[in-house]
Amino acid sequence: GEDVEQSLFLSVREGDSSVINCTYTDSSSTYLYWYKQEPGAGLQLLTYIFSNMDMKQDQRLTVLLNKKDKHLSLRIADTQTGDSAIYFCAESLYTGKLIFGQGTTLQVKP
Amino acid sequence: SAVISQKPSRDICQRGTSLTIQCQVDSQVTMMFWYRQQPGQSLTLIATANQGSEATYESGFVIDKFPISRPNLTFSTLTVSNLSPEDSSIYLCSVGTSGGAYEQYFGPGTRLTVT
Repeated sequence: GEDVEQSLFLSVREGDSSVINCTYTDSSSTYLYWYKQEPGAGLQLLTYIFSNMDMKQDQRLTVLLNKKDKHLSLRIADTQTGDSAIYFCAESLYTGKLIFGQGTTLQVKP
Repeated sequence: SAVISQKPSRDICQRGTSLTIQCQVDSQVTMMFWYRQQPGQSLTLIATANQGSEATYESGFVIDKFPISRPNLTFSTLTVSNLSPEDSSIYLCSVGTSGGAYEQYFGPGTRLTVT
C-alpha cells in the first residue's frame, strides 16, 4: 500500500545542520516533495526531486534520494530560528495524488 | 509558481449546517485537488476536482458529504455538508502546474470549527 513515514521531532542548535528523514513504500512514485508548514499557515513547497535523481541542491537545502531503500532526506545547512516549522515529506502518484508523511517538527534553539 | 487564494480563511459553523469553500488560482491549471488536515495530523486527499466533469473521490470520501464544483480552470469550490464536530479541520486546495502535477502548490487553507 501507500505509506510515508517520518520521525516526529528534531531539535537542533542554530547554525547546525538539520537532517530530516523520510521513508516511503510505493516504488511507482514519480516525484518526492518537501513542504514546510509554519503555525497557522498553509503548506510552502520547499523543493522536490524526480524519482530518477539521487540528489538535488537548492541554496541551503539538499535532498538525497535512495530509491533502492525508498529513503528520502532533507538537509538544511546553517539552520536558523526561522526554519522552525513542521516539515512534510510527500510522494506523488501518477494521478497527481500526494501521500504525506506525519510531519517532522523541527525545533531550532538559539 | 501559482498564487492560490481561499475563502473563507476560517469559520465557525453549527452542527447540521454546510460550509462552501472557494479556491481561486491566478492562472489556468490542469489539476486541482482538495485535502483535509485534521487537528495535529497530516494531510489526506479528499478528491481531485475535474473541470467539466464530476470530481474523483478518494476512498472514505463521498460526493453527498463533500460536493465539489470546478466550472473552469482557475476556480473550484468544496462544500462540507451536514457538519459534525468531526469535520473540524483545515481544508486546503492545491494545484498542479507546468502541464503536470509535479509542482504542487497549496492554498492558505480554511480552518473550520464545528460547534
